[in-house]
Amino acid sequence: GDSVTQMEGPVTLSEEAFLTINCTYTATGYPSLFWYVQYPGEGLQLLLKATKADDKGSNKGFEATYRKETTSFHLEKGSVQVSDSAVYFCALSDAGTTGFQKLVFGTGTRLLVSP
Amino acid sequence: DVKVTQSSRYLVKRTGEKVFLECVQDMDHENMFWYRQDPGLGLRLIYFSYDVKMKEKGDIPEGYSVSREKKERFSLILESASTNQTSMYLCASSLMGQGAYEQYFGPGTRLTVT
Repeated sequence: GDSVTQMEGPVTLSEEAFLTINCTYTATGYPSLFWYVQYPGEGLQLLLKATKADDKGSNKGFEATYRKETTSFHLEKGSVQVSDSAVYFCALSDAGTTGFQKLVFGTGTRLLVSP
Repeated sequence: DVKVTQSSRYLVKRTGEKVFLECVQDMDHENMFWYRQDPGLGLRLIYFSYDVKMKEKGDIPEGYSVSREKKERFSLILESASTNQTSMYLCASSLMGQGAYEQYFGPGTRLTVT
């Protein structure tokens, strides 16, 4: 079945450092790809998404590009802040045989940013 | 502001008890989901529902059941709680359709079964 693989964490960075969190996927169809973020004590919230190959999703300084040739959707940010400390989940949306959109999540990557 | 609420943030139950986790959304979404979140495993889908009284098994339905009597409410039921059901439970909702619709999540219920 479909799956998502994320880099293991935690990722520890100093404020203003460059961030990359790797995400690769396996899917039989043409999924949409998402990054969700979970701040401490909260549920998940959508950070960005891309629906087809070469699309770039962006939000709050974060970016990710849907790369079909490498089956990847890596998350990047040029300058992280302490407030970016959270767990980041990569996910794909697969309609399967029912046409019903379900999300398949990676295991999550914890980001810790120190001042 | 869109909202998904869950009945409890923290819950402690004993082995063998029947447990109800409630989820309510105010966005008139057709789809609702229950996930459990465990360290190193990410989120795993337990059950989902695409309409009132309709339900489908997710990837790990064993030991759980669900109920959706009203569009805005989706309940997860542990018929006889066991220690391996100690986890964080997350509810989500989304619009129905072929588009890449965002799922909106509640804050989660941390359940401990002793």
